[in-house]
Amino acid sequence: NFVLTQPHSVSESPGKTVTISCTRSSGSIASNYVQWYQQRPDSAPTTVIYEDNQRPSGVPDRFSGSIDRSSNSASLTISGLKTEDEADYYCQSFDRIMDVFGTGTKVTVL
Amino acid sequence: QLQLQESGPGLVKPSETLSLTCAVSGGSISRTTYYWVWIRQPPGMGLEWIGSIFYTGSTYYKPSLKRRVTMSVDTSKNHFSLKLTSVTAADTALYYCARRYIVTHRFDPWGQGTLVTVSS
Repeated sequence: NFVLTQPHSVSESPGKTVTISCTRSSGSIASNYVQWYQQRPDSAPTTVIYEDNQRPSGVPDRFSGSIDRSSNSASLTISGLKTEDEADYYCQSFDRIMDVFGTGTKVTVL
Repeated sequence: QLQLQESGPGLVKPSETLSLTCAVSGGSISRTTYYWVWIRQPPGMGLEWIGSIFYTGSTYYKPSLKRRVTMSVDTSKNHFSLKLTSVTAADTALYYCARRYIVTHRFDPWGQGTLVTVSS
């Protein structure tokens, strides 16, 4: 089993950039795809990044994903921050037997 | 467009069994490229994967829940189900069903979720 650890919260002003990390406790972050989900209040999560760095249609290119083998972590970057980006964000990955969600990060747009 | 809809009792007594069904519409549950999953979210907390099932009935469960969880699929009705036995207050959560891509493990789309409260 492994854990995906995210910062509890991040905050930034509109127009700025935030980066959320997702660190895998064991096993290589590069071995299995990482997804990122956005969850607004009282709504089900939706995909903003899949397969490490792919954006679903309809997700603005202000959202980007990456993998860093040296820190064994994935990152979600939101540039040109908008008030509508205020939400909880979860990373997700898997191993041979199970899926795991990250601990979640609350993004606040000041 | 594929849609998923959870249904089941919103209140379950401690020590009893939680039973939920996820109806899939707009596509066949028998596609070979997807698994079907249950995920839950306790109030104010994060997401927890419970388990996944293929249309053939092959399953994967979260190890810590495995003893209490059973998932099943009914291809004739295009739905899949979750049973969780011996529930406690810790099982109170919003329960989501979702489709999982077989290779990438992407969960998409999700149902709207159904709140299950464990209380006497």
